[in-house]
Amino acid sequence: DAGVIQSPRHEVTEMGQEVTLRCKPISGHNSLFWYRQTMMRGLELLIYFNNNVPIDDSGMPEDRFSAKMPNASFSTLKIQPSEPRDSAVYFCASSLGLAVTKTQYFGPGTRLLVL
Amino acid sequence: DAKTTQPPSMDCAEGRAANLPCNHSTISGNEYVYWYRQIHSQGPQYIIHGLKNNETNEMASLIITEDRKSSTLILPHATLRDTAVYYCIVRLDSSSNTGKLIFGQGTTLQVKP
Repeated sequence: DAGVIQSPRHEVTEMGQEVTLRCKPISGHNSLFWYRQTMMRGLELLIYFNNNVPIDDSGMPEDRFSAKMPNASFSTLKIQPSEPRDSAVYFCASSLGLAVTKTQYFGPGTRLLVL
Repeated sequence: DAKTTQPPSMDCAEGRAANLPCNHSTISGNEYVYWYRQIHSQGPQYIIHGLKNNETNEMASLIITEDRKSSTLILPHATLRDTAVYYCIVRLDSSSNTGKLIFGQGTTLQVKP
C-alpha cells in the first residue's frame, strides 16, 4: 500500500524565493495535516483539513505560510517569501477522519533549507 | 490536553524487553494515550493507543495504570531497529479539539547489541 507521499524530499532555496511543498494523502483518507519539525521547537502542527476544508490554521506561523487542498488527493504548503528560519523538516499526515481513535499516518517529510 | 512526562533517554539491550514509561497525571476520562516513534530521518510512526484497558498489537503492548495517571509502552524483544525517539501523547476526545497530536520531547531509546 502506498503511504503518504511528499515531494520534494529535499529542497534548497535562497531567502526570498517561493517554496511549494506537496502532499498526497493515503487513498480514502479525508483528513490531512501539515507539521513542521525543528530542533528548537520539535514537532508542531501547522494546519489541518477535513474533507478538503481547512479546520484549524492556528499553528501557521505567519502570513508567509499558506496551505491549500484543492481535492481529496493533493495538498500544498507554500512559503512566500522564504526565510532562513523556515529551514525545517515538513511532514504531511493523513487519517480516516478526525475522531480521536483515528490514527494519523505520516509521510517521509520534506527537508527544507533556506540559505 | 493533558501534558505528559517522559524520561529523555533510555538504553535497552538487544533482545530484551524495552519498557518506556509515561506520566500523565492530569489526564481526564475522555483522553486517549497514544504512542508514536520516530526513527532518525523518518516521519513519525504510529505504534499503539488506548483509553483505559491494556492493549497489544504486533508492535508493542500498552499498559495503563488503573488510575490512568501513567502508562508503559513495552517492546517485548527490542532490536537495533527499534532505536528511535518514542512519543507519548494524550489526545482529547472532543468535537472541538479533534485531530490534534501535540508532540513533546519524547524518550530517545537506544538499543545496544
